[in-house]
Amino acid sequence: AQTVTQSQPEMSVQEAETVTLSCTYDTSENNYYLFWYKQPPSRQMILVIRQEAYKQQNATENRFSVNFQKAAKSFSLKISDSQLGDTAMYFCAFMKQDNNNDMRFGAGTRLTVKP
Amino acid sequence: DAGVTQSPTHLIKTRGQQVTLRCSPKSGHDTVSWYQQALGQGPQFIFQYYEEEERQRGNFPDRFSGHQFPNYSSELNVNALLLGDSALYLCASSLGVRVNEAFFGQGTRLTVV
Repeated sequence: AQTVTQSQPEMSVQEAETVTLSCTYDTSENNYYLFWYKQPPSRQMILVIRQEAYKQQNATENRFSVNFQKAAKSFSLKISDSQLGDTAMYFCAFMKQDNNNDMRFGAGTRLTVKP
Repeated sequence: DAGVTQSPTHLIKTRGQQVTLRCSPKSGHDTVSWYQQALGQGPQFIFQYYEEEERQRGNFPDRFSGHQFPNYSSELNVNALLLGDSALYLCASSLGVRVNEAFFGQGTRLTVV
């Protein structure tokens, strides 16, 4: 079974600084996807960034980037130039390729951006 | 372009009752997945509907059932409610079953008393 572990229940960062959220996962699969979702107080899960396991290049989306270490089964999220609107719960998720949206989520990290 | 919409937003039910939650997928999407998110935890996959059939199911009892209509909207039904069923229920839609991106609704907060 696939498991996703987020070891940081809470983190905080000063506005405009950089923060890294950690995620590790356990799987015997070779083909899969990894995601970071943001869940603000509005409760809607918003996709932040996605990584295909077969791609060696780390995904980036504007201020968000990942450090994907396949051998170590690690998938961290770096947020640069943090903004107040980045305050939210962040969830790391794993999905086997062709697995019909059966995503496995971690327990989440609550990120607070301080002015 | 409407996103994923869920109704109701909040619901309070008594233990033993039955509940129905509703989801309309994002325009153009034909696949709906349901997740349960207990307080302080990440979402857990309940099941997915495509072409009006349940395609995949997570580790949830038969008290949890669903339906998909010809217009792709979906319902989640929970029978014989337990206190432990209190959670945020999230609906996610996508185009087709073999995709790597899902769009979520804002969820229905169910409280069982």
